[in-house]
Amino acid sequence: AQKITQTQPGMFVQEKEAVTLDCTYDTSDPSYGLFWYKQPSSGEMIFLIYQGSYDQQNATEGRYSLNFQKARKSANLVISASQLGDSAMYFCAMREDSRDSGYSTLTFGKGTMLLVSP
Amino acid sequence: DGGITQSPKYLFRKEGQNVTLSCEQNLNHDAMYWYRQDPGQGLRLIYYSQIVNDFQKGDIAEGYSVSREKKESFPLTVTSAQKNPTAFYLCASSISTYEKLFFGSGTQLSVL
Repeated sequence: AQKITQTQPGMFVQEKEAVTLDCTYDTSDPSYGLFWYKQPSSGEMIFLIYQGSYDQQNATEGRYSLNFQKARKSANLVISASQLGDSAMYFCAMREDSRDSGYSTLTFGKGTMLLVSP
Repeated sequence: DGGITQSPKYLFRKEGQNVTLSCEQNLNHDAMYWYRQDPGQGLRLIYYSQIVNDFQKGDIAEGYSVSREKKESFPLTVTSAQKNPTAFYLCASSISTYEKLFFGSGTQLSVL
């Protein structure tokens, strides 16, 4: 089973509107972290926002917020007031903390392509 | 400015040839990673390293090799055993494996 599922291959939004990118995850680990990254056409991955499994409040970073619903195992990214420069691929990723090796790595979803139109 | 440098940006491999992708970081991070990205796919972990002279296989390590002789450097060799090497390769680093990753700008590897 996939650990990270992003069901929207592509999303369209008009400039200045808000958009929600979906992410669901699967883990039995009580301690984990959820990340969102942006990948513009240049290829570099840019960190946007982080949510820890024990965080009581939803994370926010400027125009980005994370709608964390732990019982539903969802961590949707909300971008408010979309800008043309927001057009990019967006990846959700999960870190599971209780590994036998003592190390922890990120597992990525397949991504959602967001296109912002004028 | 601190960051991660990957080189070259584009690389071509002939059949049966080994090629090495470079990754250097000056962020003083302990952990480094190599990911592979195919079109329409997410990132898949090839190898990662928590400390110098130690590294672990990721989900798709077959046909690849790495070394970590210096903290700043984590080169990836794509061997001739990797039958489908065409992909975009991303190197990353983090303070520890529990922290967010910082990425380089990637290397596009193609087979001639």
